[in-house]
Amino acid sequence: NAGVTQTPKFRILKIGQSMTLQCTQDMNHNYMYWYRQDPGMGLKLIYYSVGAGITDKGEVPNGYNVSRSTTEDFPLRLELAAPSQTSVYFCASSPYPGTTSNQPQHFGDGTRLSIL
Amino acid sequence: GENVEQHPSTLSVQEGDSAVIKCTYSDSASNYFPWYKQELGKRPQLIIDIRSNVGEKKDQRIAVTLNKTAKHFSLHITETQPEDSAVYFCAANTDKLIFGTGTRLQVFP
Repeated sequence: NAGVTQTPKFRILKIGQSMTLQCTQDMNHNYMYWYRQDPGMGLKLIYYSVGAGITDKGEVPNGYNVSRSTTEDFPLRLELAAPSQTSVYFCASSPYPGTTSNQPQHFGDGTRLSIL
Repeated sequence: GENVEQHPSTLSVQEGDSAVIKCTYSDSASNYFPWYKQELGKRPQLIIDIRSNVGEKKDQRIAVTLNKTAKHFSLHITETQPEDSAVYFCAANTDKLIFGTGTRLQVFP
């Protein structure tokens, strides 16, 4: 049972480039989330999804896009990379029933992204 | 919206001593309060959580207390060990989970 798997683990991008961070989970969880964690800071919610075909903005969605075509996958897209997006990105999932906010979240290992 | 404040930002204790981390929240409707431990370069991992219908929960050396009236909750670690050294995050929910800024705990042998 792999849990939440993120790829890649590390990436360096040039300003203006685009990329997709991949996230997949094998726990059949309905809810999935993307967070960013800046150095020495807590986790900020970027986007979340309550099920296939449904996505919603979190606290810091600008500069990102997501899609949820299957229960398992929740990719995060950066269209025009900017230095301010240098961060560690964590994907997480949580089960139903409950709401999106009152269930334990299971995190992936993270993607460390640098924009130069 | 919900605001979660966490103190202290750093905490150093001697092995065997107790450690206490405190968080306050602003939204009285919050009903779920998890605590995550994050070791350097690793993912956050849930260590304990509490819901608003209980005031205290224990799991071996870890306990969490909740005071709904004062809107604060605390993590207590007893008999600390070097492997407890990590960053600890509290969180509280409204429609989303809002995280505190973390406490770096160092346990010295």
